[in-house]
Amino acid sequence: DAGVIQSPRHEVTEMGQEVTLRCKPISGHNSLFWYRQTMMRGLELLIYFNNNVPIDDSGMPEDRFSAKMPNASFSTLKIQPSEPRDSAVYFCASRPTGGTGELFFGEGSRLTVL
Amino acid sequence: KQEVTQIPAALSVPEGENLVLNCSFTDSAIYNLQWFRQDPGKGLTSLLLIQSSQREQTSGRLNASLDKSSGRSTLYIAASQPGDSATYLCAVTEDDKIIFGKGTRLHILP
Repeated sequence: DAGVIQSPRHEVTEMGQEVTLRCKPISGHNSLFWYRQTMMRGLELLIYFNNNVPIDDSGMPEDRFSAKMPNASFSTLKIQPSEPRDSAVYFCASRPTGGTGELFFGEGSRLTVL
Repeated sequence: KQEVTQIPAALSVPEGENLVLNCSFTDSAIYNLQWFRQDPGKGLTSLLLIQSSQREQTSGRLNASLDKSSGRSTLYIAASQPGDSATYLCAVTEDDKIIFGKGTRLHILP
């Protein structure tokens, strides 16, 4: 298996622009997680899905952030409008449903908002 | 609210030494605990997964233990090598959420 695939790997944009990050989970994994990592706050859980359904989005910082999972093999995290404080590495991870499975991470998307 | 703490935040040891990394969590109602490694600019790689009913897991030079009642886990690295230099993070699964510590940045001195 190719593992969790994220795109783009790097994104530099200007404040106010829309940013869309993409994730393809491992085939057969039914849970998908979006995390944000910064030096100050470490890894923060933004939202997670089970069977394409958002379960908990309490970690999404503001209404500017939204996430979708239209099918089992694709998810997006959108920021509109973006702000400099959104600069971070955004990780997607997937896991077999059930709560006991190992979590697998993508390589991350490094976002810089100028 | 579950909180995961890793101490120390950074650690430097000479090559060849055995070392222990610590992880503590505030709520013992967890499904499992997982240790990860993260190299600079990279994603997280799973090292060991301990289910709540288990006490330890081993993989090569790595051994992870879990004491749920006291809310603690340790990652033991034997005969450390420069290639072990990385950030090590622990994470607990609670309900469906996975909550991370901030990691310990390990530097093995050649």
